[in-house]
Amino acid sequence: GNSVTQMEGPVTLSEEAFLTINCTYTATGYPSLFWYVQYPGEGLQLLLKATKADDKGSNKGFEATYRKETTSFHLEKGSVQVSDSAVYFCALMGQGAQKLVFGQGTRLTINP
Amino acid sequence: DTAVSQTPKYLVTQMGNDKSIKCEQNLGHDTMYWYKQDSKKFLKIMFSYNNKELIINETVPNRFSPKSPDKAHLNLHINSLELGDSAVYFCASSQGTGRYEQYFGPGTRLTVT
Repeated sequence: GNSVTQMEGPVTLSEEAFLTINCTYTATGYPSLFWYVQYPGEGLQLLLKATKADDKGSNKGFEATYRKETTSFHLEKGSVQVSDSAVYFCALMGQGAQKLVFGQGTRLTINP
Repeated sequence: DTAVSQTPKYLVTQMGNDKSIKCEQNLGHDTMYWYKQDSKKFLKIMFSYNNKELIINETVPNRFSPKSPDKAHLNLHINSLELGDSAVYFCASSQGTGRYEQYFGPGTRLTVT
């Protein structure tokens, strides 16, 4: 079945550091890929998405590129802020499927 | 205006009780979902309804019964609560099934003692 694996957390960085959170997936066909963010005490919000190979999703300075050859969708940001502290979830929707499959989440803490 | 709302936000109850969580969306979406997030933050879908019809039912104990009185509402009733039911339950909605963005509610933290 479809699955998503994220890098183990928690991740702690200083403000203005470069961020990478790794995400790899297993799926048949051409899934759509998503990054969701959960701020403390809140529900999940869609951060960015990509629906086909080589697409780059971007939002709020975050980027991720759909790499079919490596089955990856790594999240990057060039300069993180304290306000980026949250839990980040990578997810996929399989081709023809009707449900999101989530990774285990990565807790990110940014120190001033 | 809250797009997806849930009530209550917190629910503390004893084992064996029956409780309900309510969800409403004002986005005009056709599809609604219930997810369970465990203590390690792992998220898993439980149910999905499209136009009031159940389309996903993921190996959830039959103590859990969703009900969709109309497209804007999806409630979750839980009978005979167990300790292992303690989690955060999220409602979500999307324009349709498939590759549409899902909008999540703020969650209901259920604690069973």
